[in-house]
Amino acid sequence: QSVLTQPPSVSGAPGQRVTITCTGSTSNIGANYDVSWYRQLPGTAPKLLIYGNNNRPSGVSDRFSGSKSGTSASLAITGLQAEDEADYYCQSYDSSLTGVVFGGGTKLTVL
Amino acid sequence: QVQLVQSGAEVKKPGASVKVACKASGYIFANFYLHWVRQAPGQGLEWMGWINPDSSGTYNAQRFQGRVTMTRDTSFSTAYMELSGLRSDDTALYFCARAYFYGQRLWFDTWGQGTLVTVSS
Repeated sequence: QSVLTQPPSVSGAPGQRVTITCTGSTSNIGANYDVSWYRQLPGTAPKLLIYGNNNRPSGVSDRFSGSKSGTSASLAITGLQAEDEADYYCQSYDSSLTGVVFGGGTKLTVL
Repeated sequence: QVQLVQSGAEVKKPGASVKVACKASGYIFANFYLHWVRQAPGQGLEWMGWINPDSSGTYNAQRFQGRVTMTRDTSFSTAYMELSGLRSDDTALYFCARAYFYGQRLWFDTWGQGTLVTVSS
């Protein structure tokens, strides 16, 4: 079981908006450790989408946005496109485990 | 450009060890911690630990204590992760990743392409 909890799957039609949640606890997200988000295609390396809760690296579309509140964080994707189909992971730091923690991943399907 | 290039796929027998290399380029090797993350087939990402290329200091996740060794060779801007006592459930894609961190923030901006390690008798 992952320390950070994500829904196994989400889906949406092209052009729609979807959100992926990431629920933690008082030793990670709730302890004010920031959340990052990654996208991964099968068999390839993860790619950074969001860091520091709501910051996009250069080159990442503004269709992707992040937020954080309390012990949870969210990734929102607007204007869904077929190429957004991938697995998405949240990541933070846990003070009890003294290490990096990931969510279990969410598979996004574009209908 | 910043790049991490990993060594090729490995097939090992149970009980053996494997050493994966991660060569950095495009930045000052000593300035960024390198972390190791693995992904078993069909599973999520699992953090293994980090190495400070400047001091060679390391820290590993509890579940890998005693089995994983992280080293580096600054002459070649290369980090290594050696996992011993291999079991079938160590079969996974192993990634190195460059980390940014300050304060309460830590994220991985660059990843290696991954090294598939297969453990099979």
